[in-house]
Amino acid sequence: QVQLVQSGSELKKPGASVKVSCKASGYTFTAYSMNWVRQAPGQGLEWMGYIKANTGNPRYAQGFTGRFVFSWDTSVTTAYLQISNVEAEDTAVYYCARDASYGDYDYWGQGSLVTVSS
Amino acid sequence: QSALTQPASVSGSPGQSITISCTGSSSDVGYYNYVSWYRHSPDKVPKLIIYDVFNRPSGVSTRFSGSKSGNTASLTISGLQAEDEAEYYCSSYTTSDTVIFGGGTKLTVL
Repeated sequence: QVQLVQSGSELKKPGASVKVSCKASGYTFTAYSMNWVRQAPGQGLEWMGYIKANTGNPRYAQGFTGRFVFSWDTSVTTAYLQISNVEAEDTAVYYCARDASYGDYDYWGQGSLVTVSS
Repeated sequence: QSALTQPASVSGSPGQSITISCTGSSSDVGYYNYVSWYRHSPDKVPKLIIYDVFNRPSGVSTRFSGSKSGNTASLTISGLQAEDEAEYYCSSYTTSDTVIFGGGTKLTVL
């Protein structure tokens, strides 16, 4: 069965970097784009972008360029979200989600809480 | 790009039907039939309940239905049950090859 298992919670100081992983299993990893979605405290879901099926090319939403990097390692069927120079406003739960087709997210990771605090 | 517009909250009594609207533009909801709906309960993972405007994934109750007219999509829940209480989000694929979510609607079952 399809599973997306994310790395655990992180507590970071402002200016540090953080890398969230999303381990996929139960399907052909490169056949589906992996998307990232953020939910800040008390806020709704926000689309961050994706790493594209087959090519692995990333696409970033407005507001998630520069400090945010999507990558994947196909040898271990894992997608990654790296955030550099974190700020308090980056405090959120970050989800990976498999894109079945044009934004139909049929499987989600359990979420990774990133807390930025001095 | 601004979020799709959803009502902040809706409510209904058990057994009733409710409809949640999701308004976008001619570049997203109005252009493609790629509207999805998700149910998100506290401490749980978002769950896909409607895709491509009106399709239900396997295992999703027939009480959930989706539709679209112009730039507005809608989710209808019939035969409301206490366990339907959750936050509901719409999303749409866009002409810019991006995805945009709605702001979310909190459903309260009275």
